[in-house]
Amino acid sequence: KQEVTQIPAALSVPEGENLVLNCSFTDSAIYNLQWFRQDPGKGLTSLLLIQSSQREQTSGRLNASLDKSSGRSTLYIAASQPGDSATYLCAVPNSGGGADGLTFGKGTHLIIQP
Amino acid sequence: DVKVTQSSRYLVKRTGEKVFLECVQDMDHENMFWYRQDPGLGLRLIYFSYDVKMKEKGDIPEGYSVSREKKERFSLILESASTNQTSMYLCASTSAGALETQYFGPGTRLLVL
Repeated sequence: KQEVTQIPAALSVPEGENLVLNCSFTDSAIYNLQWFRQDPGKGLTSLLLIQSSQREQTSGRLNASLDKSSGRSTLYIAASQPGDSATYLCAVPNSGGGADGLTFGKGTHLIIQP
Repeated sequence: DVKVTQSSRYLVKRTGEKVFLECVQDMDHENMFWYRQDPGLGLRLIYFSYDVKMKEKGDIPEGYSVSREKKERFSLILESASTNQTSMYLCASTSAGALETQYFGPGTRLLVL
């Protein structure tokens, strides 16, 4: 059964720093990997989806990379801002493209200090 | 704009009550999901559905059932609520295919007393 691990569990950094969040998964036979953001008490917002054939995906100050062979993904946040404070979750499909749901990591709780 | 809505943001129920959580999506998605989220345990899949009238068990289906009578609506039912079902419940949907993201609703925080 797929297991997803995120390190670190929590991170607090000053505004303006570049930072990296890590995600690892045990079964490399994935179709894609998603990064989500969750604000306190809210639902999840999709940030980036990387297909298995891609090495990375970018959206604004966010860049996600995927290394299937090593079972790892990273989310890079450039020039962090207080508004980036949230919990970041990575997830992989249970099978196929996600029709059977996703397996999530437990998240990285990020605090950006003004 | 993509939208998944859930009928309640907060709900307080008593042990033994039958509880209905409703989810509606406006994107004509085939696939819909119910997850629960608990501190230290993360998100876990309860049930999912590929299409109308279809349902499949996820990782933690015990104590729950679901109903999908219309494509846009997926209901989660707690037959007899218990205190260990106090949780945040999140609904999601996605279209068929490997290229699509899952869209989540705002969540329902359920407290069972």
